[in-house]
Amino acid sequence: AQTVTQSQPEMSVQEAETVTLSCTYDTSESDYYLFWYKQPPSRQMILVIRQEAYKQQNATENRFSVNFQKAAKSFSLKISDSQLGDAAMYFCAYRSAITSGSRLTFGEGTQLTVNP
Amino acid sequence: KAGVTQTPRYLIKTRGQQVTLSCSPISGHRSVSWYQQTPGQGLQFLFEYFSETQRNKGNFPGRFSGRQFSNSRSEMNVSTLELGDSALYLCASSYGTSGGITAGELFFGEGSRLTVL
Repeated sequence: AQTVTQSQPEMSVQEAETVTLSCTYDTSESDYYLFWYKQPPSRQMILVIRQEAYKQQNATENRFSVNFQKAAKSFSLKISDSQLGDAAMYFCAYRSAITSGSRLTFGEGTQLTVNP
Repeated sequence: KAGVTQTPRYLIKTRGQQVTLSCSPISGHRSVSWYQQTPGQGLQFLFEYFSETQRNKGNFPGRFSGRQFSNSRSEMNVSTLELGDSALYLCASSYGTSGGITAGELFFGEGSRLTVL
């Protein structure tokens, strides 16, 4: 079974600064997808960024980028130029590309606070 | 395009009762997944339905069940409610594929907050 671990329950950052959220995972599969989801107080989970394991290039989406280290099974999220609206719970998630379906395995989450 | 709609948003039940939650996926999406979110256990996968068939099931007791209708709308039911069933229940939809492997993004609803007294 796959597991996802987020070792930082809480993080804080000053507005306009950069912050990195950590995520490690464990799997015996070679093909999979990794995601970062954001859950603001409104509760709706929103996809921030995704990474296909077969791609060596790190994914980027505007101010959000990842550092994907497949051998180390590490998948960190970097938020640049942090904004007040980035404050939320962030979840790292894993999905197999081998077994059927859309099942996600989530980490415990990291609560990000952005200070003005 | 309307998003994933979950009803009801909030509900309060007592132990022993049963509850039914509803999820309407994004138009055109055929896969619907359900997750339970609690402070102690985090986000846990309940089950997934695709084209009216359960495709995956998480490690939950048989009191948790679901179904999907021909229009892709899904319901989940929890019978004989326990205090520990208090949680936010999230529904997610995706386009899915008939072959089973999907790379489509999951879109989540705002959830149904269940409180069991």
